[in-house]
Amino acid sequence: DAGVTQSPTHLIKTRGQHVTLRCSPISGHKSVSWYQQVLGQGPQFIFQYYEKEERGRGNFPDRFSARQFPNYSSELNVNALLLGDSALYLCASSAGVGGGSAQYFGPGTRLTVL
Amino acid sequence: GEDVEQSLFLSVREGDSSVINCTYTDSSSTYLYWYKQEPGAGLQLLTYIFSNMDMKQDQRLTVLLNKKDKHLSLRIADTQTGDSAIYFCAESMGSNQFYFGTGTSLTVIP
Repeated sequence: DAGVTQSPTHLIKTRGQHVTLRCSPISGHKSVSWYQQVLGQGPQFIFQYYEKEERGRGNFPDRFSARQFPNYSSELNVNALLLGDSALYLCASSAGVGGGSAQYFGPGTRLTVL
Repeated sequence: GEDVEQSLFLSVREGDSSVINCTYTDSSSTYLYWYKQEPGAGLQLLTYIFSNMDMKQDQRLTVLLNKKDKHLSLRIADTQTGDSAIYFCAESMGSNQFYFGTGTSLTVIP
């Protein structure tokens, strides 16, 4: 079975641009979460979606948005990019929501903002 | 439940046991997880423990939970060079959010 897949693997943008990152969950998983991992730190929670509805939002500005599609794949959008948005963006899928649903991570998208 | 702390570095000799420690602040945490991250890769789920358990063993991995001290540890028996990676603990309080520690970089010396 395929694990969590993310695209693209690497991306270079300039300040002020917009970016869309994509994630496909493990087959049968209905929840997708997004995390930002800055170099040298642990992942920081951005969003969780379950059955196409937002179930949780971390402490990120409104420039960050996401959505989940009927096939449970998800997009993370970031507008007006800042240098500080450079990070590894991780997508995780889980069967359900709540602490007992283990999250399985994809390989991430490395975003560099110049 | 947002302060999860880990020591930054650990170095062990191949064949020895490694013990990676983690402290958390929220006593209502219901699940605690250990993840492994190799360079340039995503996070691999290693194991997790429910807060009503004290210990969980899975092959070379042993997780110990001290709820009173809010202390979690991961012991890796017979550590191998392939175990070199960054290890993250994470807590979840039944909500939809996982809180991760800063990670412990484990180096295994041949």
